[in-house]
Amino acid sequence: NAGVTQTPKFRVLKTGQSMTLLCAQDMNHEYMYWYRQDPGMGLRLIHYSVGEGTTAKGEVPDGYNVSRLKKQNFLLGLESAAPSQTSVYFCASSYSGQSGTEAFFGQGTRLTVV
Amino acid sequence: DAKTTQPNSMESNEEEPVHLPCNHSTISGTDYIHWYRQLPSQGPEYVIHGLTSNVNNRMASLAIAEDRKSSTLILHRATLRDAAVYYCILRDRSTAGYALNFGKGTSLLVTP
Repeated sequence: NAGVTQTPKFRVLKTGQSMTLLCAQDMNHEYMYWYRQDPGMGLRLIHYSVGEGTTAKGEVPDGYNVSRLKKQNFLLGLESAAPSQTSVYFCASSYSGQSGTEAFFGQGTRLTVV
Repeated sequence: DAKTTQPNSMESNEEEPVHLPCNHSTISGTDYIHWYRQLPSQGPEYVIHGLTSNVNNRMASLAIAEDRKSSTLILHRATLRDAAVYYCILRDRSTAGYALNFGKGTSLLVTP
């Protein structure tokens, strides 16, 4: 049981390049989330999904797009990377949105945009 | 607006108990209190959660005040591996997608 797996773990991009971060979970969870964490800060929600085929914006969605074509995968795309998107990205999943449900996190993707 | 209030940092000696406080005066009746921790260079990790009664698991205990406006995470014997940022979070429907809303948490330093 791998839990939540993020790919890649590290990446360096040049300004203007594009890339896709992959999040995969094997727990049959409905809810999935993408967060970013900047130095000394808590996590901020970028986008989320409440089920296969659904996506919605979070707190800081600008410059990112997402897709959830399969229940187990949640993709985060950067179409034209900017230095301000240098951050650590975390994916999370949860069985439901009920308040008493715990969330599981991946180990993060460290992205640097130069 | 922050829904929980935690001290920025705390320090503990190894093998001593640690009590991490959290205030959540605006909590509603159906909000669970969650605690997560983040070790250096890792993703957040679930610790414990509860609604009204005190809760225990292999990692920690959660003591919830009778009026539910505050709670305390208890690590019974701190180890060096417990040095992390601890987040107290209310998971509720006011946050988009019922997402966990992370503040800055409490940075716990454990000294030998």
